[in-house]
Amino acid sequence: DAGITQSPRYKITETGRQVTLMCHQTWSHSYMFWYRQDLGHGLRLIYYSAAADITDKGEVSDGYVVSRSKTENFPLTLESATRSQTSVYFCASIQGLGGNSPLHFGNGTRLTVT
Amino acid sequence: GIQVEQSPPDLILQEGANSTLRCNFSDSVNNLQWFHQNPWGQLINLFYIPSGTKQNGRLSATTVATERYSLLYISSSQTTDSGVYFCAALSGAGSYQLTFGKGTKLSVIP
Repeated sequence: DAGITQSPRYKITETGRQVTLMCHQTWSHSYMFWYRQDLGHGLRLIYYSAAADITDKGEVSDGYVVSRSKTENFPLTLESATRSQTSVYFCASIQGLGGNSPLHFGNGTRLTVT
Repeated sequence: GIQVEQSPPDLILQEGANSTLRCNFSDSVNNLQWFHQNPWGQLINLFYIPSGTKQNGRLSATTVATERYSLLYISSSQTTDSGVYFCAALSGAGSYQLTFGKGTKLSVIP
């Protein structure tokens, strides 16, 4: 089905482990984003990508790594998970940043770091 | 970067009432969007509205770019309208960061 999908939906991991959250979109959108949502902070940008092989840091990028070897995939890796990275993670995509182009979100991944 | 502020932070309505949610932004924008996060956590795009007025059923939005604010109107509210409403703004050429406000939590009671 067309859309943006995230996996897994739920993940529990231990402090210090590496975790990768997956994001896949079928629209061939140019731009993709990773946000985290925490109570009291709203949605904060972790990383974004303007195209394949072009990525850049957002507001809260420390401890995270991304890659975008293919337009449709934008995985987010926590290199060594910490309890402060317990959060709900949302991936989003948009065709362009101007013009009538809505931002679409995946359903989120709820990550718990113990 | 651009600052985005939403008001009120919380709103409780009786079913059938109307409401207005506000989004102020600190810089000129070329991209302004409204989202609804339902109680299950899904984020749904409501409007792309960097300027002007749009309507979709009981919802409408107006952005006055010169005065740096946007309004989301909900008429004849229903319990399914409950959730958190976010606006997000992008300012200027060369910026790729859509910045979100902290949201307005709406509770519609029967």
